[in-house]
Amino acid sequence: EPEVTQTPSHQVTQMGQEVILRCVPISNHLYFYWYRQILGQKVEFLVSFYNNEISEKSEIFDDQFSVERPDGSNFTLKIRSTKLEDSAMYFCASSGGGRSSGNTIYFGEGSWLTVV
Amino acid sequence: RKEVEQDPGPFNVPEGATVAFNCTYSNSASQSFFWYRQDCRKEPKLLMSVYSSGNEDGRFTAQLNRASQYISLLIRDSKLSDSATYLCVVNPRFNQAGTALIFGKGTTLSVSS
Repeated sequence: EPEVTQTPSHQVTQMGQEVILRCVPISNHLYFYWYRQILGQKVEFLVSFYNNEISEKSEIFDDQFSVERPDGSNFTLKIRSTKLEDSAMYFCASSGGGRSSGNTIYFGEGSWLTVV
Repeated sequence: RKEVEQDPGPFNVPEGATVAFNCTYSNSASQSFFWYRQDCRKEPKLLMSVYSSGNEDGRFTAQLNRASQYISLLIRDSKLSDSATYLCVVNPRFNQAGTALIFGKGTTLSVSS
């Protein structure tokens, strides 16, 4: 079964450092997403991406965050200057973007970010 | 008022029990509804979509009441492997890709032998 893959699975970084989280969405999918989940909290939407541009973003996705699709397969989330409160599990996801079944969102296994 | 609200539990039930989870959502314009399952420190996985007419998938039955803005999930004949957190998820737009899913905080189920 096709899957969304993410790297790294776990990263520890110092406050103020830049972090890039990488994702390979399912190959024929058109929509890409980043969600995050702070430990013990709900899953929160960050951003969606389609046709090489952001289609929707949340209030969490401020100027410290950016996304990029540098090539035909990777989708990255960059946090420019990490803060302690950025510590969370970051989930990449993708969906086909077709009719109803194409809108099912598939999540990767997540990248656990710890900011110290 | 929280956008998607769930009883956090935990629900502790013996194998074979029937258990029901409830969820309410605040945006009456919401269009699509789902139950996801999340194991500890794992990604959410789609369990089932929820339709107005109600739908069943094996031991799992989902119901939607738009008038009350209420969604339910019923699990019959609980298995040990059903132990997980069940997330109520709402998409404010019908069949539109790229939109933000809104997650509840989840209800934790623990099934014991």
